[in-house]
Amino acid sequence: GAVVSQHPSWVICKSGTSVKIECRSLDFQATTMFWYRQFPKQSLMLMATSNEGSKATYEQGVEKDKFLINHASLTLSTLTVTSAHPEDSSFYICSATNQVNYGYTFGSGTRLTVV
Amino acid sequence: QKEVEQDPGPLSVPEGAIVSLNCTYSNSAFQYFMWYRQYSRKGPELLMYTYSSGNKEDGRFTAQVDKSSKYISLFIRDSQPSDSATYLCAMSNSGAGSYQLTFGKGTKLSVIP
Repeated sequence: GAVVSQHPSWVICKSGTSVKIECRSLDFQATTMFWYRQFPKQSLMLMATSNEGSKATYEQGVEKDKFLINHASLTLSTLTVTSAHPEDSSFYICSATNQVNYGYTFGSGTRLTVV
Repeated sequence: QKEVEQDPGPLSVPEGAIVSLNCTYSNSAFQYFMWYRQYSRKGPELLMYTYSSGNKEDGRFTAQVDKSSKYISLFIRDSQPSDSATYLCAMSNSGAGSYQLTFGKGTKLSVIP
């Protein structure tokens, strides 16, 4: 089945630094990728939708200059958290679809801790 | 009112019990309904998806959709300790994976041996 690889699985960074999270579709071409954030005991909140070769569409309240999304190829999307602060600590999850066969495949998530 | 309501639990049942998980929603445009299972510190994995009202069965899992009541359910028969996880309902107003999903908060299930 479809596999989405997300790295790193966890990262600890200092406040003010930037962190890049990668999301790769291993056996299919992901025309659309979604980035979610999940706080403890909360649901997945969609941050942005990215289509290959286009600028990402951000949800209301998500700072596009802080959460940089790049979807330069059909198999890779990256989320960069710039100038991270402790309140950015969360579980970030990507999902990908090829828009042909129904289904969203999720990555395994990245736990970001900003100290 | 939130678009999707789901009781967060936690729900604790003995092994072998029948589990019933539910979500209600307010957006009548939702047509596709999914259930995901999420283990701790992992991404969600798709368990079931259904379109329109009715039942869909897959092994020990049965998904039920009642669009008239805006209510969906997931039943787990003969529950196992390995079923212990958080179960998320999700919905979209279009299929083919091209539209965003709206998730419930998730129900944390523990199956006690």
